[in-house]
Amino acid sequence: QTVVTQEPSLTVSPGGTVTLTCASSTGAVTSDYYANWFQQKPGQPPRALIYSTSNRHSWTPARFSGSLLGGKAALTLSGVQPEDEAGYYCLLYFGAGQLGVFGGGTKLTV
Amino acid sequence: EVQLLESGGGLVQPGGSLRLSCATSGFTFRNYAMSWVRQAPGKGLKWVSAISDSGSSTYYADSVKGRFTISRDRSRNTLYLQMNSLRDDDTAMYFCAREVDEQWLVLSLGYWGQGTLVTVSS
Repeated sequence: QTVVTQEPSLTVSPGGTVTLTCASSTGAVTSDYYANWFQQKPGQPPRALIYSTSNRHSWTPARFSGSLLGGKAALTLSGVQPEDEAGYYCLLYFGAGQLGVFGGGTKLTV
Repeated sequence: EVQLLESGGGLVQPGGSLRLSCATSGFTFRNYAMSWVRQAPGKGLKWVSAISDSGSSTYYADSVKGRFTISRDRSRNTLYLQMNSLRDDDTAMYFCAREVDEQWLVLSLGYWGQGTLVTVSS
């Protein structure tokens, strides 16, 4: 069974920079995994931030960026704002069988 | 404006059935693949099922395979999830979501509904 792993929790100061990562038990994450990143606040549905590894949606603030880093998908927040305190989930596409697997989520505290 | 509105959730006994609906508007429904994602209370997100834009291809998580069926109705611009043999661990908020790009099915889930709550309990 494929497992996608994220940091359970991270803390960052306002104005700082933090990187969240997303690893696959199958090996290195590449662009073929079309990594997505979502933000979720309590009582709300997920909000899409990044798709296909590094593409921002039209509503995604420029301080959010996606990349591949050391065999993992990564989400970097630069100039963190208090409203960025939330849960963050990655989703990887595996193409067959279990088509998609979410990471367990990272609780970001600002 | 893209809108997705789920309905059909509720309380059901173990072994029972429910059909969820996701009414869509603001885009050409037939051109986009769609997915269902669920979230148990206090837990993380889990991908459940996906269907291609044409409806000819469907995909399921191992945990629901053989029990859930995804489908779509082009005339009604609506996505469905038929859930049979429900178990306690199917209790969750169920969200429908749309791909970012037309015709592609790579789980680039850009648009989400508000969700509908399914509770399986005796």
